[in-house]
Amino acid sequence: SQTIHQWPATLVQPVGSPLSLECTVEGTSNPNLYWYRQAAGRGLQLLFYSVGIGQISSEVPQNLSASRPQDRQFILSSKKLLLSDSGFYLCAWSVGRSGAKNIQYFGAGTRLSVL
Amino acid sequence: KQEVTQIPAALSVPEGENLVLNCSFTDSAIYNLQWFRQDPGKGLTSLLLIQSSQREQTSGRLNASLDKSSGRSTLYIAASQPGDSATYLCAVPPGAGSYQLTFGKGTKLSVIP
Repeated sequence: SQTIHQWPATLVQPVGSPLSLECTVEGTSNPNLYWYRQAAGRGLQLLFYSVGIGQISSEVPQNLSASRPQDRQFILSSKKLLLSDSGFYLCAWSVGRSGAKNIQYFGAGTRLSVL
Repeated sequence: KQEVTQIPAALSVPEGENLVLNCSFTDSAIYNLQWFRQDPGKGLTSLLLIQSSQREQTSGRLNASLDKSSGRSTLYIAASQPGDSATYLCAVPPGAGSYQLTFGKGTKLSVIP
C-alpha cells in the first residue's frame, strides 16, 4: 500500500532563517506531488506541484521554492523565512496524467511557526 | 475561476443526531468532488469521491450526494458520534490542464456527548 511521510511535524524558526521540509511517498512510482499551505482562517492553497523529477510548477509567487530530486521525494525550501510563511504545510500525491481525475492523498502536515 | 463555499462554517450537534454538511461550487463542469476530514493539527483524510456521473456515494454512516447542475454537494452523517468531530472539507478538481484542487474553507463539526 502507498504511504506518504512528512517531516518534521512541527517547526519553530526565527525570521530570516532557512527552511527545508521534506515529503516522501512509498509504494507507488512516478506520482504527482503537491505542496499546500493552510493558513489560519483560510482555505488550502496549492503552492507547488510536480509531475516528474525536476519538473516543478509554482501556483503562487512567494518566498518559497520546491525541488524534486528523486521520483518520490518533494522538498519545500526557503532561503529566508518571513512571518507570513507561518502556517500548516501539507504534502499530497496522486497518480495519473490527468490532474482533474486524480484522488489526492495527504500527509500529516508540518506546523511551521515563524517568530 | 472555480470557487467553493461551505456552509455553515461551524456546527455543533448532540450525539446521535443526523446532520448535513453543504458544499457549493460555481463552475459545474467538474470531473468529480471529494470530501475530506481534517482532525485538529492533522493532515487530510479522504472520505468520499463522487464522480461527475454519480449522484451518490456511500461509506458506512457517510453519504455524499452531487448535483452538478445546481453546483451543490452534501455530506450526510447518520447517527453522529463524538469521534466524528473534525473539520470537513470539500474539494473539486481543476479544469483541463491544471492540477490545482479548489477547496472550501471547511465546516467545523462538534458532536457533543
